[in-house]
Amino acid sequence: QKEVEQNSGPLSVPEGAIASLNCTYSDRGSQSFFWYRQYSGKSPELIMSIYSNGDKEDGRFTAQLNKASQYVSLLIRDSQPSDSATYLCAVLEGIYGGSQGNLIFGKGTKLSVKP
Amino acid sequence: EPEVTQTPSHQVTQMGQEVILRCVPISNHLYFYWYRQILGQKVEFLVSFYNNEISEKSEIFDDQFSVERPDGSNFTLKIRSTKLEDSAMYFCASSRTSGVFTYNEQFFGPGTRLTVL
Repeated sequence: QKEVEQNSGPLSVPEGAIASLNCTYSDRGSQSFFWYRQYSGKSPELIMSIYSNGDKEDGRFTAQLNKASQYVSLLIRDSQPSDSATYLCAVLEGIYGGSQGNLIFGKGTKLSVKP
Repeated sequence: EPEVTQTPSHQVTQMGQEVILRCVPISNHLYFYWYRQILGQKVEFLVSFYNNEISEKSEIFDDQFSVERPDGSNFTLKIRSTKLEDSAMYFCASSRTSGVFTYNEQFFGPGTRLTVL
């Protein structure tokens, strides 16, 4: 059973701080990784994708990938109250599963940014 | 900016009734997906669709479910005989590419909340 694990939180950080969200995955064949933001009652919104080991930065967001450790993280710098949401880690099912591209989601980490 | 749209936003039905959920994927996307999220649980893959046929389906997608692209823009999910446990948010998603080695960024619609009574 392919799994994506996240700490459910809640993770509470003060406004302006760095929020660090972590994710591990079980499928060694996975090559593509995504972070989605989901506000309560809304749909997942894609905020970052990462495919290679290392860091990828986009504005206040940095995604980090370590395939050897099967670990993905998301850093949010200068956190704002509007960043308060659940952050979903999603992994594209790997080649050994014969997948054509379905995403496996974690349960999400609830982030709360306090003014 | 182009986006995936879904109708209706909320559907209430009686157990045993058929429902059709509708989606309009992003216009230049070729791959379409349905996911569902039961309240408080993970987003789960149901089915993927390309070139007018199912590419892949999960164990959840049993004979009660079907998908169709009836015209050049709509993509539908039909549940033939709804059960109480089908109550969930159903999300349609689309991507320009697919496959495990390409940049398969999937963009989600706003969802349809299905309530089965």
